[in-house]
Amino acid sequence: QKEVEQNSGPLSVPEGAIASLNCTYSDRVSQSFFWYRQYSGKSPELIMSIYSNGDKEDGRFTAQLNKASQYVSLLIRDSQPSDSATYLCAVSGMDSNYQLIWGAGTKLIIKP
Amino acid sequence: GAVVSQHPSRVICKSGTSVKIECRSLDFQATTMFWYRQFPKKSLMLMATSNEGSKATYEQGVEKDKFLINHASLTLSTLTVTSAHPEDSSFYICSARKVGYEQYFGPGTRLTVT
Repeated sequence: QKEVEQNSGPLSVPEGAIASLNCTYSDRVSQSFFWYRQYSGKSPELIMSIYSNGDKEDGRFTAQLNKASQYVSLLIRDSQPSDSATYLCAVSGMDSNYQLIWGAGTKLIIKP
Repeated sequence: GAVVSQHPSRVICKSGTSVKIECRSLDFQATTMFWYRQFPKKSLMLMATSNEGSKATYEQGVEKDKFLINHASLTLSTLTVTSAHPEDSSFYICSARKVGYEQYFGPGTRLTVT
């Protein structure tokens, strides 16, 4: 069974520090990896996608992918209280609809 | 852009009635649309996958006769909860996939069945 694992948290990080969120996946043939942010009571919002090994940076966010270790991470630099949310890791397989396999999410709390 | 709308955002209905939720991709044609439900403080649960013009594929344990999905065009999918009961109360969220892998979510519909 294909699985995506995340630490549920909460992960507490002081304002201005780097928040590091981790995710592992079980299916070696996974091709596409995503980070979504979900505020309480709201729907998920796509913040990063990554498809090849290495780092991908977008503003304060950096996604890191290591396919050999089946590991993907999200770094948030200069964390702000508005970054407090649940971060969902999702992995796409090879089925024809590119259905996503979801992690349970990590709750991040940025303390002022 | 990739904007997905959902309507209504919130609905309260009586037990035994049916509720229709619309999901539209506003600025792109969606190859595939997905329907999820989410209970408070729980993970997203995929209910079904739909492609335009074909029958939806339901996940194990999801009753296709209770959750009717119609995907009439590349920009519109509807979910109808038939004969709703209090246990159907949940947050229903649709997502739409552009050509490629990324899914974009609608804002969700909060259903309360009394």
